[in-house]
This record gives sequence, structure tokens and C-alpha cells, in this order.
Amino acid sequence: GGIITQTPKFLIGQEGQKLTLKCQQNFNHDTMYWYRQDSGKGLRLIYYSITENDLQKGDLSEGYDASREKKSSFSLTVTSAQKNEMAVFLCASSIRGRAEVFFGKGTRLTVV
Amino acid sequence: AQSVTQPDARVTVSEGASLQLRCKYSYSGTPYLFWYVQYPRQGLQLLLKYYSGDPVVQGVNGFEAEFIKSNSSFHLRKASVHWSDSAVYFCAVSAYTGNYKYVFGAGTRLKVIA
Repeated sequence: GGIITQTPKFLIGQEGQKLTLKCQQNFNHDTMYWYRQDSGKGLRLIYYSITENDLQKGDLSEGYDASREKKSSFSLTVTSAQKNEMAVFLCASSIRGRAEVFFGKGTRLTVV
Repeated sequence: AQSVTQPDARVTVSEGASLQLRCKYSYSGTPYLFWYVQYPRQGLQLLLKYYSGDPVVQGVNGFEAEFIKSNSSFHLRKASVHWSDSAVYFCAVSAYTGNYKYVFGAGTRLKVIA
């Protein structure tokens, strides 16, 4: 088995601030994802990375940057935090070419 | 484009009662279908998945789901719910388009009462 660790668990930032969320997985999975979860709206894909050194935009990439530093880690940066961005950000990973993904516990972002 | 509809935002059932959470998807081919559960302050955990074969799939904790292609549905069922089943349930569809990308429904919040 493995685990996906997201840090921090809670992140409070000021409007306009640049904020970084981090994700580490020890599954040795190739593919990693960042999703945003808003209440009542399900999960929406922000960025994903098929393999190390790859970066793909999802449906909600505007206002975000991502970085796949190495196979086990995938960071997400909110370039300029906005109050309507308060949400839970979920990191996930999967074996390349396999449909099933595994999720971390999330980072809850609050913008004040 | 894929889409998933979970028509019930909230469902309340009594402990011991049967449960059905509805899910309809839109996709031109045969997608992979999933149900995930999210307990408070937790990530999503896989309950069950359908890839092919028997349209009724069994999952953890007594959950099952039936894939009905003609109806584009993948409803989740449980014969007798327990208070610990209270959580948010997400239906998801995935299809290979060079890589697997999930589309999630908005979720159904289940509350089990005594």
C-alpha cells in the first residue's frame, strides 16, 4: 500500500497572495492530479502530470500553476488568491494507463 | 464530452433501511464507472468500480452498483444502512483519451438517522 500526503492541511492566505500547496505520494505512481472541490459542485480538474516532467492543464487551470518536481511530488500554486477560491484541494495519483486513482486527504484553503 | 449527474444533493434514511443513490452519466462509448465515498475531513475512498463484464459490481461495506447501459445509469445500493455510512458519495466516469481523466458528479450527502 501507499499514501498520499498533502501539506498543509489548512492554509489561510490573504487576497492577492501567492500560495503553494504540496503533495507527496509513495505509491511510485506515474500520474498525479490536482482537483478542486467546491461544496455542491463535485471535483474539478486543475492540473495533471502524466509522468515526471510532464504538465497538462485541466478544466480549471486559470489562476493556477503546477510543478512536478520529481516522480513522487506535485505542487500547486495559487498565483493570486481570491476570496471566491475558498475550497478543498485534493491531490491524487494513479498508475499510468490505469483508470483507478487514489486521493490524499486534501488542503482546505481559506482566503481572508 | 463526459458528464455525470447525481440528482439528489441530500438523502436522509433511517438506520437499517435500504438505500439507493442515483447516478446518470453522459458518454458516447462505454466508460469506466466509479463510486467514491468521502468521510468528514478525509479524501475520497474508492467504494467500487465497473470496467466491463457483470453489470452488478460489489464493493466494500455491503455496497453494490448496477451498470445499466440503456439508461446510462450506475446507481449505488445498499440493503441495510448503518449510521457510519453517513458521508458524501461521488459518482465518477473515466475514459481513456490518451490518459484517464475523471469527471465527477456533484456528490450526494447521505445522512443516516436512528
